[in-house]
Amino acid sequence: DQQVKQNSPSLSVQEGRISILNCDYTNSMFDYFLWYKKYPAEGPTFLISISSIKDKNEDGRFTVFLNKSAKHLSLHIVPSQPGDSAVYFCAASLEYGNKLVFGAGTILRVKS
Amino acid sequence: DAGVIQSPRHEVTEMGQEVTLRCKPISGHNSLFWYRQTMMRGLELLIYFNNNVPIDDSGMPEDRFSAKMPNASFSTLKIQPSEPRDSAVYFCASSWGTASYEQYFGPGTRLTVT
Repeated sequence: DQQVKQNSPSLSVQEGRISILNCDYTNSMFDYFLWYKKYPAEGPTFLISISSIKDKNEDGRFTVFLNKSAKHLSLHIVPSQPGDSAVYFCAASLEYGNKLVFGAGTILRVKS
Repeated sequence: DAGVIQSPRHEVTEMGQEVTLRCKPISGHNSLFWYRQTMMRGLELLIYFNNNVPIDDSGMPEDRFSAKMPNASFSTLKIQPSEPRDSAVYFCASSWGTASYEQYFGPGTRLTVT
């Protein structure tokens, strides 16, 4: 039973356009959400996070939106660049802990 | 400052053999995590340690898997005996504190069991 789901295995976007990666979760007790980025042959690296008390967090070209009622979060990348091509993992954490539950990942390809 | 170090980077072994994966966390970090990545299930947490003590091993698939952390700078994940379905990329990650959500991952060990 996957508590964090990334239903799109892959996404292809033109350079300069917006990339939107989606993530759904089932456990309403999750209180912190993160996005990690992974290049081939490397480990995932932290990208951006959001607490459940917020609905938006922005860092440069990356913005994460959280809709708690829908149990849905999304990552927006604007503008998309070829170097953004990677696997993006959504992760969630329960209160009072540092155990992360990851989604299966979405492969983003940004075409130049 | 070196990041999380994992060895070996690649391991090919035959079914039934023992496999040991190694991890050196970032100095000063006191939480260590072992993950397995497969195409079907993505990144799964196998076990995590805090201050060298196993806190949650509910993700360890079977008794064939075991993990140890004898000190703050070293951990091992052992599979004995290995099976073809254990083929995956195994990541080690570390973080600071008990409520630090940002984890730092190593480059992973790609395990192939034939």
